[in-house]
Amino acid sequence: NAGVTQTPKFRVLKTGQSMTLLCAQDMNHEYMYWYRQDPGMGLRLIHYSVGEGTTAKGEVPDGYNVSRLKKQNFLLGLESAAPSQTSVYFCASSYPFSLAGADTQYFGPGTRLTVL
Amino acid sequence: LAKTTQPISMDSYEGQEVNITCSHNNIATNDYITWYQQFPSQGPRFIIQGYKTKVTNEVASLFIPADRKSSTLSLPRVSLSDTAVYYCLVVTSYAGNNRKLIWGLGTSLAVNP
Repeated sequence: NAGVTQTPKFRVLKTGQSMTLLCAQDMNHEYMYWYRQDPGMGLRLIHYSVGEGTTAKGEVPDGYNVSRLKKQNFLLGLESAAPSQTSVYFCASSYPFSLAGADTQYFGPGTRLTVL
Repeated sequence: LAKTTQPISMDSYEGQEVNITCSHNNIATNDYITWYQQFPSQGPRFIIQGYKTKVTNEVASLFIPADRKSSTLSLPRVSLSDTAVYYCLVVTSYAGNNRKLIWGLGTSLAVNP
């Protein structure tokens, strides 16, 4: 069981370039999430998905697009990268519920993105 | 606007009990309180979750008063390996879109020898 994996681990982009971050999970989870983490800002939700073929906006969706064509994969796209998108990006997945009551998220190791 | 507030940092010594309190004044009926731990260069990891009163597992306890406007994560007898950032999260329990996830900014815990 690999859990949640993220590709790539590191990336440097120039302003205006595009890229796609891939998240994969092998736990058959329904929910998947993309976060960004910046110093002093905690975790901020970009987009999420509650099932294959569905996506929804989070707290900071501007400048990002997502797709969930397969249940196990959640892609995050940057169409035209900006320096403000320099951050560490985390993907997470979860079941809708847990024995405790609400879903608990399993996080990937993160992707460190720098936009010059 | 719903907010989750926790101290920015805390210091402790090995063997002590550490209590980190999170304030969530606007918590709703369907919301649960969850705590995560994050080490440098890693993703957060689930510690404990609760709805009311007290929950205990093998690593921590979670105390939630009757009004549920705050919660306290208790780490018994901390060690150096407990040095990490701890996040409080208020999350809705129902399935579907319009999910609510209110993350605190994290408490950086430093455990000293």
